[in-house]
Amino acid sequence: QKEVEQDPGPLSVPEGAIVSLNCTYSNSAFQYFMWYRQYSRKGPELLMYTYSSGNKEDGRFTAQVDKSSKYISLFIRDSQPSDSATYLCAMSGLGGGADGLTFGKGTHLIIQP
Amino acid sequence: SAVISQKPSRDICQRGTSLTIQCQVDSQVTMMFWYRQQPGQSLTLIATANQGSEATYESGFVIDKFPISRPNLTFSTLTVSNMSPEDSSIYLCSVSGSQETQYFGPGTRLLVL
Repeated sequence: QKEVEQDPGPLSVPEGAIVSLNCTYSNSAFQYFMWYRQYSRKGPELLMYTYSSGNKEDGRFTAQVDKSSKYISLFIRDSQPSDSATYLCAMSGLGGGADGLTFGKGTHLIIQP
Repeated sequence: SAVISQKPSRDICQRGTSLTIQCQVDSQVTMMFWYRQQPGQSLTLIATANQGSEATYESGFVIDKFPISRPNLTFSTLTVSNMSPEDSSIYLCSVSGSQETQYFGPGTRLLVL
């Protein structure tokens, strides 16, 4: 079993829909949870980060962490064609960004105009 | 957030040769990291590079194959030595931005023939 599981997709939804992206993990030592967006032939771009359990909202994006279930989610409201990209979840232990990150494989998201 | 550049952006190399990838950051950072992103796979940490000390390698990666230099707080290099087609990948450097975050460069796309 991999440490972080993420459905690679592709996930195709119509413009304006709410998108739900998810990851599960097995290592209970993970404390910091991040979501990155990666466009084709570009490096990963940090979207959001959360510490421990709870929700965090930033514009159209909401990140949720449920440590009891070892499950994290990213919601995108009012999805736009420009949101089409690969979304990577990443996590680390108490060192946070000062530690190496463990990534999921990424979900390829397609927003249809 | 830090601005990170990598050189070269892409290269095609012959097996048995070596390639050195450069990573430059626009501000001084303590922690720099090198990752590999193989097709269909998760981003995988190769090593952590701190200025003034030996790089710390993850399981499965060795210094002879991936020597790293970190001469100052804004620069690092990763060399891929004695390359084989299995080394074809995207190589990314990242820096620790804060307790919660890590920022990535654009990546170097390597094809080994």
